[in-house]
Amino acid sequence: SQQGEEDPQALSIQEGENATMNCSYKTSINNLQWYRQNSGRGLVHLILIRSNEREKHSGRLRVTLDTSKKSSSLLITASRAADTASYFCATPSGGYQKVTFGTGTKLQVIP
Amino acid sequence: GAVVSQHPSRVICKSGTSVKIECRSLDFQATTMFWYRQFPKQSLMLMATSNEGSKATYEQGVEKDKFLINHASLTLSTLTVTSAHPEDSSFYICSAINRASTEAFFGQGTRLTVV
Repeated sequence: SQQGEEDPQALSIQEGENATMNCSYKTSINNLQWYRQNSGRGLVHLILIRSNEREKHSGRLRVTLDTSKKSSSLLITASRAADTASYFCATPSGGYQKVTFGTGTKLQVIP
Repeated sequence: GAVVSQHPSRVICKSGTSVKIECRSLDFQATTMFWYRQFPKQSLMLMATSNEGSKATYEQGVEKDKFLINHASLTLSTLTVTSAHPEDSSFYICSAINRASTEAFFGQGTRLTVV
């Protein structure tokens, strides 16, 4: 079963608006990662947040982590058409840091 | 940042043939690598865990004789899809765990089409 679940599954916004995606996970983690995947392409690592961090910024991205609620959010500010992609959260688990992926949020940014 | 190179990025093969996909960590040592498969419009599903110098551990439902994994060095793991069939057509992605930092990094993926 999937470790993480993203919410919403699909999101459509106008260019310039902010996009917020949420991820919930089940087991304890030491870090959580967000990835972007353009249609039919590979994964692009966006940001990693460790369990002792509550918030992290990278350019137009802001990630929060609430380990008590086992949830994380990814905020993309001032969205652009090029941000159109699927976004996944990924969490390592198990002794070998086995990374499992959530179901993904498909974001469409309309120019 | 750490780079994982996956090759080839795309491959088309005939039914019955075998295809090898390589996953290399370019600037770090990876004692553990993972192989994932992604069906269209779905998330990535873990297939197997590859450990350097030992046999791979396969997830439930993944045929080990079908998907041969070799992790011969600290920087290279290979996935061979044997006797490929059209239903094996998929997007395959590897990840490598940096031994020093224990962080995972992903390859760009390989799109396999079996005709």
